[in-house]
Amino acid sequence: GQSLEQPSEVTAVEGAIVQINCTYQTSGFYGLSWYQQHDGGAPTFLSYNALDGLEEKGRFSSFLSRSDSYGYLLLQELQMKDSASYFCAVRDGSARQLTFGSGTQLTVLP
Amino acid sequence: IAGITQAPTSQILAAGRRMTLRCTQDMRHNAMYWYRQDLGLGLRLIHYSNTAGTTGKGEVPDGYSVSRANTDDFPLTLASAVPSQTSVYFCASSDSTSGSNEQFFGPGTRLTVL
Repeated sequence: GQSLEQPSEVTAVEGAIVQINCTYQTSGFYGLSWYQQHDGGAPTFLSYNALDGLEEKGRFSSFLSRSDSYGYLLLQELQMKDSASYFCAVRDGSARQLTFGSGTQLTVLP
Repeated sequence: IAGITQAPTSQILAAGRRMTLRCTQDMRHNAMYWYRQDLGLGLRLIHYSNTAGTTGKGEVPDGYSVSRANTDDFPLTLASAVPSQTSVYFCASSDSTSGSNEQFFGPGTRLTVL
């Protein structure tokens, strides 16, 4: 089976940098994704890492280390609108299904 | 239609009743998915379909069934609803040719079973 661990809550102030970690255990591994979900809303895709290293997309970056079964989402120049839940998800097979973590609730304070 | 739509937005249902949640996408994605989201448990996959005419079981399939008669529609049926099926249900789709494996989610259906 698959399991993912991420912190349940993170708090930071506007303008700061925050890192949300995710460790996973899977029988196979194709890639690690990150999704954002605002209260009451649909999850939206942020990033996907299939290879080791850092992927940068504006204020958001995502990192993967396959040897450590570990990844993180880095959010820079935090804004109030970044307050949301963030989910890591692993794709563990060629069939493209995802297994999601329980989510990290990020609160950005003024 | 743009993206994925789900209906109804919300529903209160008596236990034992049959219910079908509808999901339609207009992106011609070949893969579609149904998830349920409960507080503190993230998203759990119920059923999926990699292409029209095929379906598969996810992590929590019991009590649910799906069909995929065409590319656009992927209804989820609860044959006899139970209170433990109270949840928010999200439908999603993805393009299997996409290297990013991005899934696009509908707005969700909030279901309460009494």
